[in-house]
Amino acid sequence: ETGVTQSPTHLIKTRGQQVTLRCSSQSGHNTVSWYQQALGQGPQFIFQYYREEENGRGNFPPRFSGLQFPNYSSELNVNALELDDSALYLCASSPGGSAYEQYFGPGTRLTVT
Amino acid sequence: KQEVTQIPAALSVPEGENLVLNCSFTDSAIYNLQWFRQDPGKGLTSLLLIQSSQREQTSGRLNASLDKSSGRSTLYIAASQPGDSATYLCAPWIGFQKLVFGTGTRLLVSP
Repeated sequence: ETGVTQSPTHLIKTRGQQVTLRCSSQSGHNTVSWYQQALGQGPQFIFQYYREEENGRGNFPPRFSGLQFPNYSSELNVNALELDDSALYLCASSPGGSAYEQYFGPGTRLTVT
Repeated sequence: KQEVTQIPAALSVPEGENLVLNCSFTDSAIYNLQWFRQDPGKGLTSLLLIQSSQREQTSGRLNASLDKSSGRSTLYIAASQPGDSATYLCAPWIGFQKLVFGTGTRLLVSP
């Protein structure tokens, strides 16, 4: 069984640019969540998708947006990048339901210069 | 707003010691609680999920307890090994599968 995968592994962008990060959920998982982890901090919830619909959002501005596809993979898009967007972006997937753990991918390290 | 605190922030012990990592959260109205480990620069590995109706969960040398009424969870690691060195994060579920993280406990186990 393939776990959660994310691409790319590392990314360097310039302030003001746009970026798309991708996540492939584990087989059978219909729920995907995205988190931002700044250096030395715990991850912070960005938003969650359940069966292609956004199912909750954290305290992030609208320039953070997402999509979930019919195969339950997902994208995180960030527009007008700022220096503070530099972080590890983590994707987590789950089969859904309160009895199931969330499984995280290896993350994408984004550096904004 | 849910806030999560983990104590201690860092811990350095010799191999073989039994350890207790503490997690406290301000809002007791949580669904479940999950413990993770994170190696430097890597993603999170799920260790244990304690459902809201449970008070304890065990996996190998790990045991986690949950007391929702007092807003506390404890992760117990028995017979620590150098391979246990990592950052340990607790994350209560504030909504359906929405996690809130503390800053973690950095553990170093020396041979």
